[in-house]
Amino acid sequence: GENVEQHPSTLSVQEGDSAVIKCTYSDSASNYFPWYKQELGKGPQLIIDIRSNVGEKKDQRIAVTLNKTAKHFSLHITETQPEDSAVYFCAASIHQAGTALIFGKGTTLSVSS
Amino acid sequence: DVKVTQSSRYLVKRTGEKVFLECVQDMDHENMFWYRQDPGLGLRLIYFSYDVKMKEKGDIPEGYSVSREKKERFSLILESASTNQTSMYLCASSLFPKVGELFFGEGSRLTVL
Repeated sequence: GENVEQHPSTLSVQEGDSAVIKCTYSDSASNYFPWYKQELGKGPQLIIDIRSNVGEKKDQRIAVTLNKTAKHFSLHITETQPEDSAVYFCAASIHQAGTALIFGKGTTLSVSS
Repeated sequence: DVKVTQSSRYLVKRTGEKVFLECVQDMDHENMFWYRQDPGLGLRLIYFSYDVKMKEKGDIPEGYSVSREKKERFSLILESASTNQTSMYLCASSLFPKVGELFFGEGSRLTVL
């Protein structure tokens, strides 16, 4: 079935450094790729998303890039801050399911000051 | 703001008990989802629904059923709880038909003894 691989599973950076999380997907029909941030004790929240007709999208310190040919997409966080510490999940739309998402296994990002 | 409310944050049940997890959303969303979250496994889709009385199986439907009698409410049912169903359960909703942002509840942590 459809699969989303996410790397790394843990990432530790110093405040001010950049962080990059990478995902690959298997379903070539996937056309929507969101990233979610989950803080302790809360449900995941959307931080940025990209659709298949766009190669890159940026929102302040976060950006997402998509390579449809290679079936991979990445989250870039610049000038990291301690409040960026959280679990991040990538996801891809499941074509057969129409509106559902399949998620990666998550990356625990720790930003130390 | 969209609000997805899960009725119980913490539940402890015995093996063999029937368990109901309730989820209500207040934004008139057509789509509703149940995910299960386990450490190292990310979020896995159990069931979803794109309309009242409609349901579709996700990746791991075995041992679960769902009910969607009203648009705003989506229930997850464990007919006979087992210890391997100890987990965090996340409900989410989104607009139809274009796949887009999922709004998550804060989760229900179920322990089956």
